[in-house]
Amino acid sequence: DQQVKQNSPSLSVQEGRISILNCDYTNSMFDYFLWYKKYPAEGPTFLISISSIKDKNEDGRFTVFLNKSAKHLSLHIVPSQPGDSAVYFCAAAANDYKLSFGAGTTVTVRA
Amino acid sequence: GAGVSQSPSNKVTEKGKDVELRCDPISGHTALYWYRQSLGQGLEFLIYFQGNSAPDKSGLPSDRFSAERTGGSVSTLTIQRTQQEDSAVYLCASLPGTASDTQYFGPGTRLTVL
Repeated sequence: DQQVKQNSPSLSVQEGRISILNCDYTNSMFDYFLWYKKYPAEGPTFLISISSIKDKNEDGRFTVFLNKSAKHLSLHIVPSQPGDSAVYFCAAAANDYKLSFGAGTTVTVRA
Repeated sequence: GAGVSQSPSNKVTEKGKDVELRCDPISGHTALYWYRQSLGQGLEFLIYFQGNSAPDKSGLPSDRFSAERTGGSVSTLTIQRTQQEDSAVYLCASLPGTASDTQYFGPGTRLTVL
């Protein structure tokens, strides 16, 4: 039973525009959320995180929003750049060491 | 510094054979994870090692899967009598210690069982 869901397998966006990636979760015990980015033939790399006591965390072009009541988080990338083309994974943890991952969203940034 | 390395990068094997996948974590990292990613799926937790504590094996899908970590460093994931459904990318990750730290992933081993 998948506790973290990324319902959009792919996203195509024009360079310079905003990319919005969505993630839904079912486990109300999750209190820490992360986004990872993965290039082909490489392992995922950490991008940004947010704890459940916040509803927004910003790091440069990347912002993560958390809506606990809706059990929903999103990642905004603005402006999108060609180097942002990758697979993005949403992950969540419930105050322990186990991360539950979504299936990923492939982002393609068009020049 | 050196990141997490995994070997082999690709492994093709015949159904029924045993395979061993290796992970070299970042030096000094006390925690080590194994995950697998099947086609179209998210990363699935397999096993977690933390220092000298007993590993959390709750994610291993069957008793054909086992893992060990020697000397608190290198880890080997062994799959016995491989099946076609074992085909996936197997990822290893390490972190310095606490659960709130981010995990550093290796590039993965792509296993194909024919």
